[in-house]
Amino acid sequence: DVKVTQSSRYLVKRTGEKVFLECVQDMDHENMFWYRQDPGLGLRLIYFSYDVKMKEKGDIPEGYSVSREKKERFSLILESASTNQTSMYLCASSKAGLAGGETQYFGPGTRLLVL
Amino acid sequence: AQSVTQLGSHVSVSEGALVLLRCNYSSSVPPYLFWYVQYPNQGLQLLLKYTTGATLVKGINGFEAEFKKSETSFHLTKPSAHMSDAAEYFCAVRNTGRRALTFGSGTRLQVQP
Repeated sequence: DVKVTQSSRYLVKRTGEKVFLECVQDMDHENMFWYRQDPGLGLRLIYFSYDVKMKEKGDIPEGYSVSREKKERFSLILESASTNQTSMYLCASSKAGLAGGETQYFGPGTRLLVL
Repeated sequence: AQSVTQLGSHVSVSEGALVLLRCNYSSSVPPYLFWYVQYPNQGLQLLLKYTTGATLVKGINGFEAEFKKSETSFHLTKPSAHMSDAAEYFCAVRNTGRRALTFGSGTRLQVQP
């Protein structure tokens, strides 16, 4: 079974803090993704990575950065947390390939509250 | 650009009734289509996907979906709802050459006893 784990299920941070969200997958997947989930908006892509040290911006990258130093680990960084970044954050991974049919496997999510 | 529209943010059915969750997509090329389910306080789990071939796709837990190119639809159905089907359901699309999925806004399914 594919397993995607996220470092925290719940996180409370203060405005202006630097926040790190960690994601680890154990299936040797090339692609990793960070999504943000908000009620009524579905999931929106923040960043994704298709190889170690490679990354591309998604639809809503502002206020976020990412790091992928090892194939199995993909970190999302909130440089200076703001209240509008209160959300559920979901990590996913998939095999490489641009054919389109690859399944994305999701972690359990991190619910972040910024006060 | 691709987009996904899920009609109805909330759907309520009685236990044993037909479940129909609607999904329409826009895409300039034939898409790959997915349905995911999210149970409370969990991540997303793949229900089923359409890539190529047969347009009626069967998934887990008795769900199925039919790809209708002429209607640009990929509606999810289940003949008989069970209480355990209560969850949020997301339709997603991906075009060839893109790595990421584009998700709809989700439909929360309630199952009444």
